[in-house]
Order: sequence, then structure tokens, then C-alpha cells
Amino acid sequence: EPEVTQTPSHQVTQMGQEVILRCVPISNHLYFYWYRQILGQKVEFLVSFYNNEISEKSEIFDDQFSVERPDGSNFTLKIRSTKLEDSAMYFCASSPRTGGRNTEAFFGQGTRLTVV
Amino acid sequence: QKEVEQDPGPLSVPEGAIVSLNCTYSNSAFQYFMWYRQYSRKGPELLMYTYSSGNKEDGRFTAQVDKSSKYISLFIRDSQPSDSATYLCAMSDLRTGANSKLTFGKGITLSVRP
Repeated sequence: EPEVTQTPSHQVTQMGQEVILRCVPISNHLYFYWYRQILGQKVEFLVSFYNNEISEKSEIFDDQFSVERPDGSNFTLKIRSTKLEDSAMYFCASSPRTGGRNTEAFFGQGTRLTVV
Repeated sequence: QKEVEQDPGPLSVPEGAIVSLNCTYSNSAFQYFMWYRQYSRKGPELLMYTYSSGNKEDGRFTAQVDKSSKYISLFIRDSQPSDSATYLCAMSDLRTGANSKLTFGKGITLSVRP
């Protein structure tokens, strides 16, 4: 069964460093997302991406964050200068386009980011 | 008022019990409703997906949506220890030709005792 894959599974970084979280969405999906989940809290939307551009972003997704689809398969989230409060589980998701609109999102296993 | 509220839990039931999980929401633009299951330190796994009001059944799982009351439910029949996980409701206000974000409830942790 096709799945969303994320690497690495765990990333430890020093405050102020740049990190890139990588995702390979399901191959025929057209919509891509990043979500995060701080320990014990809700899963929160960060950004959605379609047709090589951001379609929606949350207040969390400030200038420190960027996304890119560098080739036909990868989807990345970059945090330019990490802060302690960026420590969270980051989930990539993708969804297909069915009947003229996108539908359910499928999530990867997540990357646990720890900023020290 | 929070956009999506979910019963806080945790919930512990004996094996074989019928489980009812619920969410309420405030945004009347929500049209798509999903239930995800999440095991500890794993990604959310899609369980059920419904559009607008009504019921949808898949094996031991039934999803119910009442848009007039802004209330959704997930029923699990003949619950099994393997159903022990955190259950998240999620919803979106999908607009034609565009994608849209999911808004999640906080999740409820279910434990099914053998």
C-alpha cells in the first residue's frame, strides 16, 4: 500500500541552526501539507502546497519556515533558525484530487525535531 | 469558542464494549469530516472519511455526522485491545478547486481492557 515517507525519524539540532525535514508524498497525489504536534497538544496545520506554490499557511508558518518541492518526488520543510519552541513532531501529508477537489489526507510517520 | 472540541478522556472500556467518541465544532463551513487513529509517537492513520451529514459504516466502525447540531461521532463495535490508541477527529472546509487545511480535535485516548 502506498504511503507517505519522512526522513529523518528523529532530528536533534542546536538552537539557531537550520534544519530541513524531508518527505516523499504518495506518488499520484497533488496536494501536500506540513503539520506539527507539540507533545500533548493538538495536531496543527502549518502549510499546504499545490501546483508548486503555497496555497494556504497558518500563523505559525512565519518567515523562518519555507517549503519546497525540489524535484518530482520530494517535499521539504526548512526551518531557518530553530528555536526551542520549534521542538515538536512534524508530519507531512498528501492528498489526491478526486472529482475536481482534493479529499482525504494521508500522513507520514513524522519527524521528531528536538531543539536544544 | 474553540473550532473543534473533543471529549477529553481518557476512556477505558472492557473488550467487546461499544465505544462512542464525539466531537463538536463551531465552523458551519466544515463539510468534510474525518477520524484518525494515532498510536504513540506515530502519524495519524485515516480511519473514516465522510462528506456532509449522514452515516458511514466500515466493518466495526461507524461514523456519524449531524451538521445541524455540528456534532460528529465515531462508534466502535465489539472493541478489541488492538483498538487502544488516540482517536482524533478532523474536519475541513474544502472549496472547489482548492485544497484546504484540516482542523483537528485534541484527541481522546482509548484503552480497551482484555
